[in-house]
Amino acid sequence: GDSVTQMEGPVTLSEEAFLTINCTYTATGYPSLFWYVQYPGEGLQLLLKATKADDKGSNKGFEATYRKETTSFHLEKGSVQVSDSAVYFCARMDSSYKLIFGSGTRLLVRP
Amino acid sequence: DVKVTQSSRYLVKRTGEKVFLECVQDMDHENMFWYRQDPGLGLRLIYFSYDVKMKEKGDIPEGYSVSREKKERFSLILESASTNQTSMYLCASRPGGVETEAFFGQGTRLTVV
Repeated sequence: GDSVTQMEGPVTLSEEAFLTINCTYTATGYPSLFWYVQYPGEGLQLLLKATKADDKGSNKGFEATYRKETTSFHLEKGSVQVSDSAVYFCARMDSSYKLIFGSGTRLLVRP
Repeated sequence: DVKVTQSSRYLVKRTGEKVFLECVQDMDHENMFWYRQDPGLGLRLIYFSYDVKMKEKGDIPEGYSVSREKKERFSLILESASTNQTSMYLCASRPGGVETEAFFGQGTRLTVV
């Protein structure tokens, strides 16, 4: 069935380090892909999305490119800040228009 | 801004109680969802609804039911709460279409003792 796999955390980085969080998905057609972020004690917020192959979603310095050849949607940021500490979820739309989520990756950024 | 509001941030209930979690959205979205979030398991879909009075089972519906009598409101019901239902519950809504994202409420942390 449809699934999303993302790297396990926690990921611990120093401020201004480069971030990559890997995400791969099962390929049934070309689903819309999303990254959500969850700050402590809050619900999920959309960070970025891409709706077709080769699209690049971007927001707040984060980027992810929809790569159908590798069925991947890796999240990147060139220089992380302490305020980026959160849990990040990769998600895809399934054929019934539901969102399927990965297990989440906790990011901790140290000053 | 889209707003999805869950009725409680924190709830403590006793084993065997009937529990109602309420969710209201203000953007006339067709689709509404209930997820539970547990460490290491991500978000798992309990039930969803794509229209008033319509409901579909998600991946883990056992022990839960839902009600959608009005478009803006989607209720999750724990018929007889058990300790293994202690979790964070997240409600979401989204409009129709394949490219639209879901909007989430702030979550309800339920503890069953």
